[in-house]
Parts: sequence; C-alpha cells; structure tokens
Amino acid sequence: DAKTTQPPSMDCAEGRAANLPCNHSTISGNEYVYWYRQIHSQGPQYIIHGLKNNETNEMASLIITEDRKSSTLILPHATLRDTAVYYCIVRVAVGTSGSRLTFGEGTQLTVNP
Amino acid sequence: EAGVVQSPRYKIIEKKQPVAFWCNPISGHNTLYWYLQNLGQGPELLIRYENEEAVDDSQLPKDRFSAERLKGVDSTLKIQPAELGDSAVYLCASSLGLAGGETQYFGPGTRLLVL
Repeated sequence: DAKTTQPPSMDCAEGRAANLPCNHSTISGNEYVYWYRQIHSQGPQYIIHGLKNNETNEMASLIITEDRKSSTLILPHATLRDTAVYYCIVRVAVGTSGSRLTFGEGTQLTVNP
Repeated sequence: EAGVVQSPRYKIIEKKQPVAFWCNPISGHNTLYWYLQNLGQGPELLIRYENEEAVDDSQLPKDRFSAERLKGVDSTLKIQPAELGDSAVYLCASSLGLAGGETQYFGPGTRLLVL
C-alpha cells in the first residue's frame, strides 16, 4: 500500500488558514489522495479527494504537486470546530472490484482562539 | 439524508462474553465496511462487503470475529468470545462502490470496553 507521512501535530490560530502537508512519494498513477478528519469521539468525516488536479469544495482545498508525491490540505479560515485529527490517505485498488483506505496516525490539528 | 447508523454507541461486557454490533448504511450504498480503531491510532479495515458478499475479509480475525450482511443492507459484526484486547471503537462505513464513487462515509462507531 502507498504510505503517507504526516506531521503528528500542528497548531493554527482561529481565522487563519491551516495548511496540512502530506507526503506520498510511492503513490501510483491511478491512486487517489483522500483526506478525512476525525473529531473526538466521532467517526471519520470525508473532506476531499483528488487525483492530479487541485480540488476545492465547501470545506477545503487540496493542492497536489505536479509529481504527485505530496499534497497539502488547506482550511482557508480555521475555526475552533476544525480541531481534529486529519488523515491523508492514498486509496489503493484491491482486485478488480474495489479499493482500500489505509489510515495512518494522522495530524492532530489544534485551532487556538 | 440519513447517515450511517450504528448501535449501540457504547457497550461494556466482561471478557469471554459475546457481543454484537449493528450497522445500517446510507440508503443505496452497496458497499459496506467494518473498521477497528484502537486508541490513538487510525481505523483498520476488518471486512468489506459488496452487497451481501464479503469480498475483502483478509484482516478479520476469523477465530472469534464474524460478520454478516444477509440481505445486502444492514450488517452485524460479532465477537465471540470477547477478549480484553478487543476494547476499541468499531466503525462502520458505506459507499456507492466502484461504479458510483468510492468515497466512504462513516458512522459514529460503537465503543467497546471489555472488562
């Protein structure tokens, strides 16, 4: 499985942009990068995913480098409710019918007032 | 739209007792997943269903764990007998599957404590 590397923790001031990095240097050409977050005592929440191009939705932006070996999740205006563990995952195809998400330990983002 | 529903939310049992967890996926989602999450770690896949068929159960400890999805909708995960090391959060997720998009949506989980 393609492995990801994330910093264990980050801090961000409320109202500022939070930029969460992820390295995935062994990613294959057809593997997607997914981001989830998990707020304490809740299930993981889907944020965004991408293959090659940068992506943006109502929650965040995903910037993928041209060589696809790393990506950055951007929360443009972090709030206290964005405090969570953020997981960067490479979705790996399994056989011909599905895929697998392999979670690492993620980055604990703490948004400070 | 209702999300993934799991019950119970919390369960406390004594070791060697059986326990079961129930999951109702998002309506129309053919693919269902069970994950195990230990404290301080990311979720680990136990089993994946495509409709009623278990297509990826390589990570499921089959000596004590079993799962079923008889009608291709709801699913039950069972542990018998439970051990102290089974204390963890058990998460259920669902997706439309390969044809409709692989994004997985998670339920709130069942927190199990084995005493």
